[in-house]
Order: sequence, then structure tokens, then C-alpha cells
Amino acid sequence: DTAVSQTPKYLVTQMGNDKSIKCEQNLGHDTMYWYKQDSKKFLKIMFSYNNKELIINETVPNRFSPKSPDKAHLNLHINSLELGDSAVYFCASSPDVWAGANVLTFGAGSRLTVL
Amino acid sequence: AQTVTQSQPEMSVQEAETVTLSCTYDTSENNYYLFWYKQPPSRQMILVIRQEAYKQQNATENRFSVNFQKAAKSFSLKISDSQLGDTAMYFCAFMKHDLRDDKIIFGKGTRLHILP
Repeated sequence: DTAVSQTPKYLVTQMGNDKSIKCEQNLGHDTMYWYKQDSKKFLKIMFSYNNKELIINETVPNRFSPKSPDKAHLNLHINSLELGDSAVYFCASSPDVWAGANVLTFGAGSRLTVL
Repeated sequence: AQTVTQSQPEMSVQEAETVTLSCTYDTSENNYYLFWYKQPPSRQMILVIRQEAYKQQNATENRFSVNFQKAAKSFSLKISDSQLGDTAMYFCAFMKHDLRDDKIIFGKGTRLHILP
């Protein structure tokens, strides 16, 4: 069973559209994250949620809105997609905010291509 | 601000050889964690090894070991007896030991090819 699963794996869409990427973890972790990997393979944290509450919100355009309906899910919604949003987005989780990224488990990533 | 630098974008070695991946970082913190992650073609990010900065002893996980030089802010990964399955992107990462700051900072990665 996949520990951290993201859907879709691949997403191709036009500029200006709104899209969502879903993430679910079945590890019982309290803390979940979204990372963006750009074309140069550099990973940067975007958001972190602990038990449904936002705890980290890096400098990300407000077109990006995370939503955590429960602690096992952290979805990423992107409005008015731009070409520069093309990247691989990784979801991750850790047992709790105290363990933090010390024991991150990542999903396989979702490749977003904006045309 | 913390930074992580991996100066080797790509490396190739023959199977069974030993390879060392370099990583340097910059921080003013005293307590922190360092990691090496492996990203195979499946694109999952797999934790290979981690090091707590307060520990002087270098971490070891089977064929993987690190050379942690705190004063020099260096954290290299050594893979012994390399195997074809070690072919992947490897990311060095840093995290402060700060309960209020959960960020993890990654380097840009080193693509490692193990040749048969």
C-alpha cells in the first residue's frame, strides 16, 4: 500500500485554468507538506499543515490554496494557472510537527504542465 | 538564510565501485538535521540517511555512510559497492532543529549513474 499517494500523476492544462492536486497519507501522520520541484530539480517547501492547521506558508502566489479536510489529506488548488507553474509538486508527511521533516515520507509527485 | 549546495550535477561510476557525493551548506544554527534523499525514476523521495548535527559520529546505513564535517559545513554521502539500483537523483537536505520552523531545504541534486 502506498504510504503517501498523490493524484493525478500527470496533469496537462491550459493557461488560466484552475486545477487541483490531491494528496492522501495512510501513515497516521499529523503533519503534511507541499513541495515544488522546479525544472532545475530544486525542491522548495510551499505549505505545511499540522492536524488540519496551516503552520508554514512560504512566499507562494495566493493563486495557490491548500486545503486540509482532515489530517490524512492535503489538497493543493491552483487558480489561473500560469506557464511558470509547470513543475513537479510533491506531497509529504511526517509523524508530527515535533518530528517535522526529520522523518519525511514523500509521494511520487505530480507533474503539472501548463501550456 | 540556510542554503544547501550540491556542486556535482551529474556523476557516473562503474558498478561495485565507491562513489562520494558532495554537499555543503550554510547556516548560523547550531542544532539541525542533515539528510540524503534518493529519487529513483519512480520519483518517490526515499530517505537514505540522516545526521543530527549534535552527534559527532558519522551516520551509517548499510552501504551508505556520511562524512559530516560540522566546522566545514560539509556533508558528503559515500556509497560503497555501488549497485545498478543506486542509479537515481540524490538530494542533500537541511532542516533546523526548531519546533517553530518545520522547513526543509534541499540542494539541487546530483544525478548518479551506476554503469554495468
